[in-house]
Amino acid sequence: GENVEQHPSTLSVQEGDSAVIKCTYSDSASNYFPWYKQELGKGPQLIIDIRSNVGEKKDQRIAVTLNKTAKHFSLHITETQPEDSAVYFCAASSDYKLSFGAGTTVTVRA
Amino acid sequence: SQTIHQWPATLVQPVGSPLSLECTVEGTSNPNLYWYRQAAGRGLQLLFYSVGIGQISSEVPQNLSASRPQDRQFILSSKKLLLSDSGFYLCAWGQGEQPQHFGDGTRLSIL
Repeated sequence: GENVEQHPSTLSVQEGDSAVIKCTYSDSASNYFPWYKQELGKGPQLIIDIRSNVGEKKDQRIAVTLNKTAKHFSLHITETQPEDSAVYFCAASSDYKLSFGAGTTVTVRA
Repeated sequence: SQTIHQWPATLVQPVGSPLSLECTVEGTSNPNLYWYRQAAGRGLQLLFYSVGIGQISSEVPQNLSASRPQDRQFILSSKKLLLSDSGFYLCAWGQGEQPQHFGDGTRLSIL
């Protein structure tokens, strides 16, 4: 089955700086890569996703890049704000089942 | 718009007691439904998924079972809870190639 690895497990950034989270996957058939943000006591919320037919996608301060050859994808958050503090999960899928990374706890220091 | 509801939000149960967690989806028909468990500080582990009424697939062997009695209702059950069943249980729905959307979860503590 699919194996997704996510790094780093924790990330502390100064407000206004950028944050980058990286994930690798093992199944070359995976073609869908969502990112979720989870706040304390809540379920994960989809923040951005990318499909294998594109290499980059951007939505305001958030961008995701995908390298299918190397089987890795990354989340980039620019101009971080305190409300960006949360746990972020990457996932990969080749059908309707998602395999998740272990998560990255992001802390934005004011 | 589509919404997903899970209840209860928190639950404390003794070892050996039964369990029933319910999830319902509104605003869509024939969704794919999922149950995940999230251990503290860990990612999400897929437990069950369903592509239709009465169709349940299990991803990991365990003490839990799932049922889908109606199109938009998904139930997670156990006849006898174990200490190891403690965790944060999340229900999600998806449709075709659309992304999955999660409920707010149930925090289950076994004493």
